[in-house]
Amino acid sequence: QLQLQESGPGLVKPSESLSLICTVSGGSISTSGKYWGWVRQSPGKGLEWFGSIYFGGSTYYNPSMKSRVTISVDTSKNQFSLQLNSVTDADTAVYYCARAPQVWDLFDSWGLGTLVTVSS
Amino acid sequence: EIVMTQSPLILSASPGERVTLSCRASQSVSLNLAWLQLKPGQAPRLLIYRASTRASGISDRFSGSGFGTEFTLTISSLQSEDVAVYYCQQYNNRPPATFGQGTKVEIK
Repeated sequence: QLQLQESGPGLVKPSESLSLICTVSGGSISTSGKYWGWVRQSPGKGLEWFGSIYFGGSTYYNPSMKSRVTISVDTSKNQFSLQLNSVTDADTAVYYCARAPQVWDLFDSWGLGTLVTVSS
Repeated sequence: EIVMTQSPLILSASPGERVTLSCRASQSVSLNLAWLQLKPGQAPRLLIYRASTRASGISDRFSGSGFGTEFTLTISSLQSEDVAVYYCQQYNNRPPATFGQGTKVEIK
């Protein structure tokens, strides 16, 4: 059974970068036709899609965040990651990683999520 | 960016009752509409995609309908385990995919 697990620091200082890793188990991140993405849930903005990546490296980003976001994949570790630069308190949220089996932003398997707080 | 608007924001119903959640898109999203269920401490769950197709393992108590800008999620007989926040999501006009603000379903 496919499982996704987010990991990373729970506290990040304003203006710094937030880095999260999603570890995939029970399946290969290199499976043809599967995309891997990040979504967050914040009190102020509800659910927001950040972006998605294909194991070959193709990326799809939310235009409103594109200047601050990088999503990358490490097939050797069966992981993909999110980096969000220049964070503010508005970036405090629960961050989820997820798999999209058909199109890059329709997710059928999700991680439990990890809370990231931006505070000095 | 397409704006998704859900109603009501909070829905309270008795066990066994039929409940209907609504989702409206600011412009047509064709059939490219999904419904998600979020419970505290649990991974989000995809319930419905392509407006009316149930995802794998989802109870037939859940059904979706609609096309274009108006969509509904129906729970035929509300159970205690259905207490959650339900979100609609469009994946037609993107990037970005966008979500509604959620409907919280409670048991009376």
